[in-house]
Amino acid sequence: GAGVSQSPSNKVTEKGKDVELRCDPISGHTALYWYRQSLGQGLEFLIYFQGNSAPDKSGLPSDRFSAERTGGSVSTLTIQRTQQEDSAVYLCASSLGLLGARPYEQYFGPGTRLTVT
Amino acid sequence: GIQVEQSPPDLILQEGANSTLRCNFSDSVNNLQWFHQNPWGQLINLFYIPSGTKQNGRLSATTVATERYSLLYISSSQTTDSGVYFCAVGRNSGNTPLVFGKGTRLSVIA
Repeated sequence: GAGVSQSPSNKVTEKGKDVELRCDPISGHTALYWYRQSLGQGLEFLIYFQGNSAPDKSGLPSDRFSAERTGGSVSTLTIQRTQQEDSAVYLCASSLGLLGARPYEQYFGPGTRLTVT
Repeated sequence: GIQVEQSPPDLILQEGANSTLRCNFSDSVNNLQWFHQNPWGQLINLFYIPSGTKQNGRLSATTVATERYSLLYISSSQTTDSGVYFCAVGRNSGNTPLVFGKGTRLSVIA
């Protein structure tokens, strides 16, 4: 079946503008994660949605970052008033959630490369 | 939080050679995945291996959870194996985000 998809694949924006990044998880996956990959910080967690539970926002670097997940499927990551340090590849992953206490494998999308000029 | 260390950071191999990549982690985990990031940036799942041993073609992996390390073996390497290999772990409670190591950059030369 189809994997995780993300759009756009590339986004160039001016400093101070808002951007929205989209993630379509694998159908039936209840868990959805956002990560980002930058040269200085490696791969780091941002936010996590599991079913109808409140999201885990512990990885968001500032209050300029927010995310929604509508209908338990598609997610949008919004960055307000973008800064140059926000330039990175933003990756989305999804999984089936939990089997008892054991988590399922996570699958990643191709990412959105964000460049803030 | 949990720490993940990968070694070596860089590795250059002649085509046909074998290699072992190591991942050490600082706490109990209930999830461990190995990924290959290709030149286009896509993370490709290699193994989901919180414990035990698995094999897939020329690749195999072993995780010794009690000693907090995992090994990825690549045999008869090919130029298409080049890229960055990441180990990522989830801590030992429920469904948690992955914590990634910094990766091993592998270059296989013909």
